[in-house]
Amino acid sequence: KAGVTQTPRYLIKTRGQQVTLSCSPISGHRSVSWYQQTPGQGLQFLFEYFSETQRNKGNFPGRFSGRQFSNSRSEMNVSTLELGDSALYLCASSLGQAREAFFGQGTRLTVV
Amino acid sequence: GESVGLHLPTLSVQEGDNSIINCAYSNSASDYFIWYKQESGKGPQFIIDIRSNMDKRQGQRVTVLLNKTVKHLSLQIAATQPGDSAVYFCAENSYEAGGTSYGKLTFGQGTILTVHP
Repeated sequence: KAGVTQTPRYLIKTRGQQVTLSCSPISGHRSVSWYQQTPGQGLQFLFEYFSETQRNKGNFPGRFSGRQFSNSRSEMNVSTLELGDSALYLCASSLGQAREAFFGQGTRLTVV
Repeated sequence: GESVGLHLPTLSVQEGDNSIINCAYSNSASDYFIWYKQESGKGPQFIIDIRSNMDKRQGQRVTVLLNKTVKHLSLQIAATQPGDSAVYFCAENSYEAGGTSYGKLTFGQGTILTVHP
């Protein structure tokens, strides 16, 4: 069965711009979580959506937002990009709990 | 606080050796733990998990040990192979009945495992 799909794989944006990343979970999975991975901070939880509702949120500024659609696909948006937003953004899907969350390959965002 | 990844510990082993990767977790309320393997250019891949009511769980070539007293987790890989070379992360989850932390994983900083042929 298909895994978690993230698009695009790579992005280059300019400071001040905004960006939207997409995540298609494994079929049947209703939970989608987003993580930011950087060399300095490691893997940090951004937020989690379950059945179109944000169920949990990490300690990130309001420039980071997300949503989930009725088909469980999720998008995250970062507005007013900063250089420090350069990172690998990972999406994980699960049936509903963190148990055996499956990760996508990530979107590598570079802000210049 | 959250995961800090300033200086990743490294472990170098010879092919065929057993590897032990350690992880200290911070939240005594965590009751579910997972080990992930991340290869270059890929997302983390699930290896094995353990609930807090267990102290040991075995999989294929891997064993996870949990010591709740000292909040320590370890991953043992038997007969390590070059394909095991990757960054290994432990992650913890706090399950609260009726709570909202279901999908949130808090990751450790990671350990770089290098297996030499």
